[in-house]
Amino acid sequence: AQTVTQSQPEMSVQEAETVTLSCTYDTSENNYYLFWYKQPPSRQMILVIRQEAYKQQNATENRFSVNFQKAAKSFSLKISDSQLGDTAMYFCAFMKHSSGDKLTFGTGTRLAVRP
Amino acid sequence: DVKVTQSSRYLVKRTGEKVFLECVQDMDHENMFWYRQDPGLGLRLIYFSYDVKMKEKGDIPEGYSVSREKKERFSLILESASTNQTSMYLCASSSGLAGGYEQYFGPGTRLTVT
Repeated sequence: AQTVTQSQPEMSVQEAETVTLSCTYDTSENNYYLFWYKQPPSRQMILVIRQEAYKQQNATENRFSVNFQKAAKSFSLKISDSQLGDTAMYFCAFMKHSSGDKLTFGTGTRLAVRP
Repeated sequence: DVKVTQSSRYLVKRTGEKVFLECVQDMDHENMFWYRQDPGLGLRLIYFSYDVKMKEKGDIPEGYSVSREKKERFSLILESASTNQTSMYLCASSSGLAGGYEQYFGPGTRLTVT
């Protein structure tokens, strides 16, 4: 079974600064996807960014980028120029290609952006 | 915009009651999911469905059942609610590979069983 570990339960960052959220996973699969989801307070969870394991290039979506280290089974999320609207719970998730959409989530990191 | 709605934001039920949580999506997605979210545990998959009348157990199906009679609607049933089922329940839908496996979530139902 796959496991996803987020070792930082809570983090805080000053507005406009950069912050990195950590995620490690354990799998024997070679073909899989990784995701970061964001859950703002009292709002619906949304996808932030995704990475396909066979792609060596790190995914980027505007201010959000990942550092995908396949050999180390590490998938960190970097948020640049942090904004107040980035305050949220962030979940790392794993999906093996053969399982369709079935996601395994980490326990989450609560990020607070300070004005 | 994809919209996933859930029948209630907050629900309070008594131990032993039968509880229905309903989820509706408006994007013709084939795949639908039920998760429960607990502090320190993240999201855990209860059941999922790849098609009408089809269902598969997730990681924590005990004490739950599901029903999918129409493509847009996926119901979670607690046959006899217990206090350890007090939790936040999230529904999600996706179009699978066609949508890059992105899941769209509902707002959640916070269920309290007393």
